[in-house]
Amino acid sequence: GAVVSQHPSRVICKSGTSVKIECRSLDFQATTMFWYRQFPKQSLMLMATSNEGSKATYEQGVEKDKFLINHASLTLSTLTVTSAHPEDSSFYICSAPRDNSYEQYFGPGTRLTVT
Amino acid sequence: GQQLNQSPQSMFIQEGEDVSMNCTSSSIFNTWLWYKQDPGEGPVLLIALYKAGELTSNGRLTAQFGITRKDSFLNISASIPSDVGIYFCAGRLPSKKLVFGKGTKLTVNP
Repeated sequence: GAVVSQHPSRVICKSGTSVKIECRSLDFQATTMFWYRQFPKQSLMLMATSNEGSKATYEQGVEKDKFLINHASLTLSTLTVTSAHPEDSSFYICSAPRDNSYEQYFGPGTRLTVT
Repeated sequence: GQQLNQSPQSMFIQEGEDVSMNCTSSSIFNTWLWYKQDPGEGPVLLIALYKAGELTSNGRLTAQFGITRKDSFLNISASIPSDVGIYFCAGRLPSKKLVFGKGTKLTVNP
């Protein structure tokens, strides 16, 4: 079956540093990927749409200069949290719709803790 | 904005019982997806529904896409302890974005 991976699964960083999270579709191509943030006991909140070969589109209220997204290939999207602060601590999850399919698969998530 | 109304919010059942949860929407979706999320993990796709009125099974799971394309239900038969988790419904937009329900937290007592 289709699999989406994320790396790292957990990361702890100091305030002011930047953190990069990778999302890969392992056995299918994904022209579009999505990045979500999830707070405890809540549903997923869409942050941005990552588009291969073009700029990402961000949801209202999400700072594009703080959450940099690069969709380098048809199987890889990266999210960089720049100048991280403790309030950026969260569970970040990516998803990848399989091209030419209605199915959409999620990565296992990345737990970011900013100290 | 669009949102899905998912119910119930939580369920506490005994092992072996059947479970039913549902989602409704004020908007039409052409695709409905059901996911299960375990703590600290990403959601796992359980069932995808494409056609209005479609009934689809995946093992002990059965889901139906409402004829109006504004609702869906998920049934779990003969629940087991590993069914514990949060179940989300999601409607897929033409942009491929998903609109989620708020989730149903399932607890199964052995």
